[in-house]
This record gives sequence, C-alpha cells and structure tokens, in this order.
Amino acid sequence: NAGVTQTPKFQVLKTGQSMTLQCAQDMNHEYMSWYRQDPGMGLRLIHYSVGAGITDQGEVPNGYNVSRSTTEDFPLRLLSAAPSQTSVYFCASGRGNQPQHFGDGTRLSIL
Amino acid sequence: SQKIEQNSEALNIQEGKTATLTCNYTNYSPAYLQWYRQDPGRGPVFLLLIRENEKEKRKERLKVTFDTTLKQSLFHITASQPADSATYLCALPYNQGGKLIFGQGTELSVKP
Repeated sequence: NAGVTQTPKFQVLKTGQSMTLQCAQDMNHEYMSWYRQDPGMGLRLIHYSVGAGITDQGEVPNGYNVSRSTTEDFPLRLLSAAPSQTSVYFCASGRGNQPQHFGDGTRLSIL
Repeated sequence: SQKIEQNSEALNIQEGKTATLTCNYTNYSPAYLQWYRQDPGRGPVFLLLIRENEKEKRKERLKVTFDTTLKQSLFHITASQPADSATYLCALPYNQGGKLIFGQGTELSVKP
C-alpha cells in the first residue's frame, strides 16, 4: 500500500520552463489537493479536486494548472516557472471530512 | 477571512515534561479541528481530530482540547521524549469536502 506518491522528489528549473509535478494515490480517495510550503507561512492550498473531472482553486492558484482525469492521479502543472514558485510542494488525498494523507513532497528550485 | 495562528516561536522543553502547543483561530466556526505532525523532509502525518461538540480527546500520550468560545485548541504531549521533536500543525476545514487550511506550525524540541 503506497499511499500518496509524489514524483520527482527534487527538481531544478530555469525561469520560464514548464513542468508537471506528479501525484498518485492508491486509496480510492475522492478528494485530492496540492499545497505549497514556504518558511514561516505554513501550508497554502493551491488547487483541489473533489473527484475525477472536478477541480477548483485554493488560496494561491496563480501560475499553476491542474486536471483530474482519474481518481488516482492529480498532476500539478507549472505553466512558466518563476523564482517565486521555489517551494516544497505537497500532495494530499482524503475521503470527505476525514484526515488527509500526504506525500513526502517535491522540492522545487527555480533559478 | 479565516485566520489560524500557532506559536511562531520554537518550543524547547526537557524530556519528561509536558509540551503544550496552542492553535487560535478567528472569523470561523469550524465543525472540527485536526492536528498533524511533520518531520524534516517529510509530509505531515495526521495525529488527532476533535469535533466541536468534544471538549477533549486523548490518544496515548497526546491530548487535544477544543474551546469554541475562546476559538482555541490546545495540544498536549505528556511525558515528552526526544522522538517527539517535530513541527506540529493544526488544520481546520475550509468548507465541505475535505478542504483544509493550516496554521504555520510550531516546532517542538525535546532535550534529553
């Protein structure tokens, strides 16, 4: 039982490049979300999904895109990377109002 | 807008003592509150959930209280151990369906 798997674990990008952070869960959870974590600011919600085909914006959605074509996968796309997007990104999944299960994060640096 | 605040300063305590962490919130009446633990380089891990109609919840050495009048939750670790050293996060539901907002976390360090 892998839980929530995020890839890659580390990534360095140049300003303007695009990339996709992958997130997969094997617990059949309908709810999935993406957070970014910056020093002193805690976890901030970027985008979330309550099921396949349904996504919505969180607190800091600008510069990011998501889609949910399957229950298992919820990729996060950076359209044109900016240094302000240097952060640690966490994906989480859960069922309704139950506790969230988190992956171990993707550490992203943008030069 | 909803706001959650946790002790921003790190908490340093001696092994065996009780650690108490605070989570305050404003402009909000959550149906429940959750506490998570985060170790360096890892994702948060769920510890406890307490509902608005529960004053207190316990799990082994952990105890959480929830005061909806004060808009505050306290998280206690009794007989603390160095292995309890981590960052502890509180989280509240933003709306239906599992959307959570998190406090910035409190770093706990337990010295032998």
